[in-house]
Amino acid sequence: DVKVTQSSRYLVKRTGEKVFLECVQDMDHENMFWYRQDPGLGLRLIYFSYDVKMKEKGDIPEGYSVSREKKERFSLILESASTNQTSMYLCASRTSGSLTDTQYFGPGTRLTVL
Amino acid sequence: GQQLNQSPQSMFIQEGEDVSMNCTSSSIFNTWLWYKQDPGEGPVLLIALYKAGELTSNGRLTAQFGITRKDSFLNISASIPSDVGIYFCAGPIYGGSQGNLIFGKGTKLSVKP
Repeated sequence: DVKVTQSSRYLVKRTGEKVFLECVQDMDHENMFWYRQDPGLGLRLIYFSYDVKMKEKGDIPEGYSVSREKKERFSLILESASTNQTSMYLCASRTSGSLTDTQYFGPGTRLTVL
Repeated sequence: GQQLNQSPQSMFIQEGEDVSMNCTSSSIFNTWLWYKQDPGEGPVLLIALYKAGELTSNGRLTAQFGITRKDSFLNISASIPSDVGIYFCAGPIYGGSQGNLIFGKGTKLSVKP
């Protein structure tokens, strides 16, 4: 079974803090993704990575950066957290073998910025 | 750009009732995926559809890939309380690399025991 884990289920931070969200997958997947989920807006792609040290912007990258130093780990960084970044953050991974391969999600991190 | 329109946005049903939801797009999709998200958890894949006209079941769930390739349907028969959650349709972005998906906004299902 594919397992995608996220470092925290719940996180509370203050405005201006630097925040790290970590994601680890154990299936040797090449592709990893970070989404945020907000009520009424569905899932929106922040950044994705198709290989170690490679990253590409998704639909809403502003205010975020990412790091992929190892294949199994993909980190999302909020350089200076703001209240409008309060959201549910979901990490996903997939193999790059076929476009029909699906994405597998982690349990999510609910971030609150005060 | 591509968009997935999912309806209804929410449903409140009685336990034992059947449920139907759908996803439509102005673009053609070659794959349709249906995910379920339990409260407080990440989405989990329920059913994947790869061929127009395909009808696939997973227990009480049945999903269909529309003939026009612009829509898909998910049906749940004899709903039970653990069916509660948000159901998302998704499909690969046309011309997108690395298997990027586009998601519908979800159908929130509530089941009254």
